[in-house]
Amino acid sequence: NAGVTQTPKFRILKIGQSMTLQCTQDMNHNYMYWYRQDPGMGLKLIYYSVGAGITDKGEVPNGYNVSRSTTEDFPLRLELAAPSQTSVYFCASQGRVADTQYFGPGTRLTVL
Amino acid sequence: KNQVEQSPQSLIILEGKNCTLQCNYTVSPFSNLRWYKQDTGRGPVSLTIMTFSENTKSNGRYTATLDADTKQSSLHITASQLSDSASYICVVSARGNNRLAFGKGNQVVVIP
Repeated sequence: NAGVTQTPKFRILKIGQSMTLQCTQDMNHNYMYWYRQDPGMGLKLIYYSVGAGITDKGEVPNGYNVSRSTTEDFPLRLELAAPSQTSVYFCASQGRVADTQYFGPGTRLTVL
Repeated sequence: KNQVEQSPQSLIILEGKNCTLQCNYTVSPFSNLRWYKQDTGRGPVSLTIMTFSENTKSNGRYTATLDADTKQSSLHITASQLSDSASYICVVSARGNNRLAFGKGNQVVVIP
């Protein structure tokens, strides 16, 4: 069981570039989440999904897009990267509503 | 205003000593409260989850308490070790909502 895996671990983007952050879980969890964590701040929810084919916005969705074509994968797409998107991004999954949420190791993104 | 407030923001303790971290929340209606440990550069890892009916739960040297009437929780670390140096995040879930409200974390540094 690898749990939640994220790629890449680090990335530097130029302003205006696009990229996809990959997230995969092998626990057959229905719920998956994308968060960003800025220095000294709590995690903020970007998007979440309650199952394949279903996604919904979180607190800070602007500038991001997601898709959930399979139970295992929940990629996060950044279009037209901006310096404000410099952050650490965490993907998480959860089996049921009141279950533990398992986090991936994070992707550190810098936009210059 | 953040729905989850944690105190102190940071503290330094001597190895072997105990410490207590506080979490106050306004999330309603309440479903469950979680404590996570986040080591530097890594994703959060779950320590405890408590529902409305639980007022204490332990995980090794970590003991969490919950007072749902006053909307307060605490995390007590017993006989601290150097590996306890981390950020401890309080997370509260509302009933009927898939989202979690995150505190900013208590930064704990254990020194020899």
